[in-house]
Amino acid sequence: EVQLVESGGGLVQPGGSLRLSCAASGFTFSSYSMNWVRQAPGKGLEWVSYISSSSSTIYYADSVKGRFTISRDNAKNSLYLQMNSLRDEDTAVYYCARDMLGATDMDVWGQGTTVTVSS
Amino acid sequence: QSVLTQPPSVSAAPGQKVTISCSGSSSNIGNNYVSWYQQLPGTAPKLLIYENNKRPSGIPDRFSGSKSGTSATLGITGLQTGDEADYYCGTWDSSLSVRKVFGGGTKLTVL
Repeated sequence: EVQLVESGGGLVQPGGSLRLSCAASGFTFSSYSMNWVRQAPGKGLEWVSYISSSSSTIYYADSVKGRFTISRDNAKNSLYLQMNSLRDEDTAVYYCARDMLGATDMDVWGQGTTVTVSS
Repeated sequence: QSVLTQPPSVSAAPGQKVTISCSGSSSNIGNNYVSWYQQLPGTAPKLLIYENNKRPSGIPDRFSGSKSGTSATLGITGLQTGDEADYYCGTWDSSLSVRKVFGGGTKLTVL
C-alpha cells in the first residue's frame, strides 16, 4: 500500500525549531518529487516547499524562505522539513504529499502532523 | 489573499450538478496544468483531477475538470451527501518566484 506518514509535530515556543519527518512506503520513493503543504486552523491549503527526486531542485513559499529547509534521504525513504525561527503563524497541520510521476499534481498525501507555535 | 480565486461556497440539492470556478492569471493557470483536490472534514486532501481534466484511478466520472485561458472549472454531477467537502484548485505560479499555489477553497453543501 502506498503510504506517507508524518511525524515530529508538537508544541514549540516562538523562535524555536522543529524537524518534521515523512516516512514513505509502498512505492519507489527515490523516483518521486515531494512537497510539504500546511493548513492553519480553519484555513485553506498553503504550499510550503518542493524537492525534486534527486534533491537538485528545491522551492519554498516566500512565507518560509530562509527559515525552513526541505531535504530527503532516498536511502531511508524519508522526507524532512527543518523549521527554524518559528512564528505563531506557522501553527498548522503539515502534510507531506507526493507528486505524480511525469506530472506535478499531488496524488498521495499523508495524514498530517500538527505544529503549534505558542508561548 | 490567495493567488487563485474560488467562490467561498456553493450549494445544490442531491442529484443536481454544481460547478466550482478557479480564476488565475497568465503566470499560473494560463501556462500550467490545474489540479483539483477534495478535502472531507477532518481528513487529508485527495486528488480529484490532474492535468486540467484527467481523473486518477478510482475517481468516479461524476467529477470533471476543464480549463480555458486563465480559469478552470470543476464540475460535479449527481451530487451526493458524501460530496460535502472543501474543494481546492492548485497549480504552479511563476510571477515572482517559482511556487505552487492553491485557491482559497470552496465549501460545497449538498442541501
